Amino acid sequence: DVVMTQTPPSLSVAIGQSVSISCKSSQSLVYSDGKTYLHWLLQSSGRSPKRLIYQVSNLDSGVPDRFSGTGSQKDFTLKISRVEAKDLGVYYCAQTTHFPYTFGAGTKLELK
Amino acid sequence: EVQLVESGGGLVQPGRSLKLSCVASGFTFNNYWMTWIRQAPGKGLEWVASITNTGGSTYYPDSVKGRFTISRDNAKSTLYLQMNSLRSEDTATYYCTRGHTYWGQGVMVTVSS
Repeated sequence: DVVMTQTPPSLSVAIGQSVSISCKSSQSLVYSDGKTYLHWLLQSSGRSPKRLIYQVSNLDSGVPDRFSGTGSQKDFTLKISRVEAKDLGVYYCAQTTHFPYTFGAGTKLELK
Repeated sequence: EVQLVESGGGLVQPGRSLKLSCVASGFTFNNYWMTWIRQAPGKGLEWVASITNTGGSTYYPDSVKGRFTISRDNAKSTLYLQMNSLRSEDTATYYCTRGHTYWGQGVMVTVSS
């Protein structure tokens, strides 16, 4: 199984700050079609998860461009610029390149 | 608007069965793979099962293979998860999803005597 190692497990941030979350996979996430199926999700408190970014760097509809995703092969990063209160919650990276699909353990973003 | 509405959760004894349903609306159901993902209380996300748009192929992790069955009725725009031989470690909120993009509100399954 592909192990997704997400760091840090938690982040304390002030509103307006920028933060980065790392996600490293135990195998390359490049699929046979050449695409990389690495995604980022946010789960706000008490809510269902919501996908923010798909295939490394593509923002889902309605996601502000304060969010950005970068990376390749086995090493990926989510950056949030100018954090707002509505950005708080748990962020997960997820891979759907290989079965079984797997998730990182999550990064809890909270207010300093 | 895409909507996914799960039902069928509840309290069940170890070893018994339960069947979850997810009614989809707002998109052409038979065009999309569908997936169940679960989250144990206070824990992270775990993929449970996926099914192709036609229902011709299904996929499971080892943790549920042989016990859980994903299926769909495209005429009813409904996804199912039949869960047999339930264990305490299956206790979780189960989410119906379309490609990690759209998620239902989740349904709680508690396995306990």
